[in-house]
Amino acid sequence: SQTIHQWPATLVQPVGSPLSLECTVEGTSNPNLYWYRQAAGRGLQLLFYSVGIGQISSEVPQNLSASRPQDRQFILSSKKLLLSDSGFYLCAWKRLGLDEQYFGPGTRLTVT
Amino acid sequence: QKEVEQDPGPLSVPEGAIVSLNCTYSNSAFQYFMWYRQYSRKGPELLMYTYSSGNKEDGRFTAQVDKSSKYISLFIRDSQPSDSATYLCAMSAFGEETSGSRLTFGEGTQLTVNP
Repeated sequence: SQTIHQWPATLVQPVGSPLSLECTVEGTSNPNLYWYRQAAGRGLQLLFYSVGIGQISSEVPQNLSASRPQDRQFILSSKKLLLSDSGFYLCAWKRLGLDEQYFGPGTRLTVT
Repeated sequence: QKEVEQDPGPLSVPEGAIVSLNCTYSNSAFQYFMWYRQYSRKGPELLMYTYSSGNKEDGRFTAQVDKSSKYISLFIRDSQPSDSATYLCAMSAFGEETSGSRLTFGEGTQLTVNP
């Protein structure tokens, strides 16, 4: 069976500090990978998606970036966090040819 | 105008009630429809997935799609306190594999089932 991991689960960072969130998927190969952000009481905003190693598509211009160094690893980064970067960050994956996405447990980021 | 509009709620019902959760959409290219359940401070969990008009049942849950009206619903029968969560509808268009097969989500309906 497939499993998706995210870490850390919770993070409190000061404004201007760097960020690195990691997501890994087990039990599948060549998945599509996604990063979403969810503000409190709001829907999901797609930030980045990747259809393969080294291939990143950005949906929203902002001070975040993403990388996919390995087939089942997806990293979300920032060089300098803003207060507006606070939120619940979710990683998701899907199999090629299917539409359903499966989400990880999320990382709750608070920028102070 | 948003591509997907979801009844905002919040919705509060007594245990045992039938719950109806609804979304409308404007993009006729949407062909695949999903419902996710999200408990507080957790990631969304896929509940139902369908691609055809009509009804699909899974236990106490029924997903209904009406493509002619661009309207989808999730019905929960004999609702339980454990059903208390936020429900998100999501949909995608056919043939978007090369552009990542993105899902478009509603903003969610918060449901509370009172014992």
